[in-house]
Amino acid sequence: GENVEQHPSTLSVQEGDSAVIKCTYSDSASNYFPWYKQELGKRPQLIIDIRSNVGEKKDQRIAVTLNKTAKHFSLHITETQPEDSAVYFCAASFYGNKLVFGAGTILRVKS
Amino acid sequence: NAGVTQTPKFQVLKTGQSMTLQCAQDMNHEYMSWYRQDPGMGLRLIHYSVGAGITDQGEVPNGYNVSRSTTEDFPLRLLSAAPSQTSVYFCASRRWVNRPDTQYFGPGTRLTVL
Repeated sequence: GENVEQHPSTLSVQEGDSAVIKCTYSDSASNYFPWYKQELGKRPQLIIDIRSNVGEKKDQRIAVTLNKTAKHFSLHITETQPEDSAVYFCAASFYGNKLVFGAGTILRVKS
Repeated sequence: NAGVTQTPKFQVLKTGQSMTLQCAQDMNHEYMSWYRQDPGMGLRLIHYSVGAGITDQGEVPNGYNVSRSTTEDFPLRLLSAAPSQTSVYFCASRRWVNRPDTQYFGPGTRLTVL
């Protein structure tokens, strides 16, 4: 079936440390993998995405890596700041260009 | 551009009532979709549409109907509300091209069914 698993469900880090969130997907044909950040009471917003022809993509303090063979991808946030505290969702594209989302990770950055 | 808009922001229904959640976008996006968000379950796809007159089911379509008569609008209808439909509902849109494109979400509708 069309499935995306996301771990961990909650993550607490000290300000300045790095945070890593991992996702696996079920369909080897998936070719688009976005990450969304959702602050409390707000809509999800895209923070970074990667396509299947690329292994890694960076944007300032965030990066995403993709391992197509293993069908998993990860979000890396370096030098975390209190404003990084939010819920993060990974997603993968499936047949019909549908986006299926993981269950989310609550990231808490302690100052 | 207003982007993706949703109305109402909050709604309380009684079991068995029906209602329509409105969604509109002004970006001329062909692809529109509805998700529900429940604690610990992420965003689950209810229905989606790749253009006017075309709709299809997502992961959790039961109890919901959609139609797409224009490119701009994609309403979601609850036929007979049940407490299990208490959730936050997000509408989303993106361009329909030959590869996936950035998806934008509306602000959400918080629905409570008593």
